[in-house]
Amino acid sequence: AQSVTQPDIHITVSEGASLELRCNYSYGATPYLFWYVQSPGQGLQLLLKYFSGDTLVQGIKGFEAEFKRSQSSFNLRKPSVHWSDAAEYFCAVAPLYNQGGKLIFGQGTELSVKP
Amino acid sequence: DTGVSQDPRHKITKRGQNVTFRCDPISEHNRLYWYRQTLGQGPEFLTYFQNEAQLEKSRLLSDRFSAERPKGSFSTLEIQRTEQGDSAMYLCASSLGTGSDTEAFFGQGTRLTVV
Repeated sequence: AQSVTQPDIHITVSEGASLELRCNYSYGATPYLFWYVQSPGQGLQLLLKYFSGDTLVQGIKGFEAEFKRSQSSFNLRKPSVHWSDAAEYFCAVAPLYNQGGKLIFGQGTELSVKP
Repeated sequence: DTGVSQDPRHKITKRGQNVTFRCDPISEHNRLYWYRQTLGQGPEFLTYFQNEAQLEKSRLLSDRFSAERPKGSFSTLEIQRTEQGDSAMYLCASSLGTGSDTEAFFGQGTRLTVV
């Protein structure tokens, strides 16, 4: 079945520590890939996206993500987490077969940051 | 503010009542999407418009739900005979493009509570 999986529902890291949030997808062909962040009471903000080309993509707020075709993964990373990064993070895909651009989201990973 | 705006931000209604939400997309965007997000879950696609044409509807969109985008500008989402299961955050997004490789910008959502 076509799906997006974020295996970690909740992650806690210390401020200044590195972060990696996992995302795996299951589709027939590599879809377009996105990471969004949602702070409490707020809408979704795009952190970064992968359409093609370099498999390491840079985003806003110091985030990056690496696309690995062999693992069907698109993990989000940040070398040093700030307290303001505490939020919910969603991985999403836009299937190539669907030209409408609709997004299929994972369940989300809630990030807590310890002082 | 040139972002996506949604109104109202919060709505409490009694079961069986009808409710209508409004979304104003970014002005030059030709696509408009509606998603529903329940607690602890990622957003789920409901429907999308390209200009004024509604091109796709999810199975989640029962016959109690109807969406319109007259003149290809703002959109409304109406839920008739609300049920407690309709309680959720309803998110609107807009994008510019014709394929799947487009960036969607989200509004802050309308939180519906059915009592």
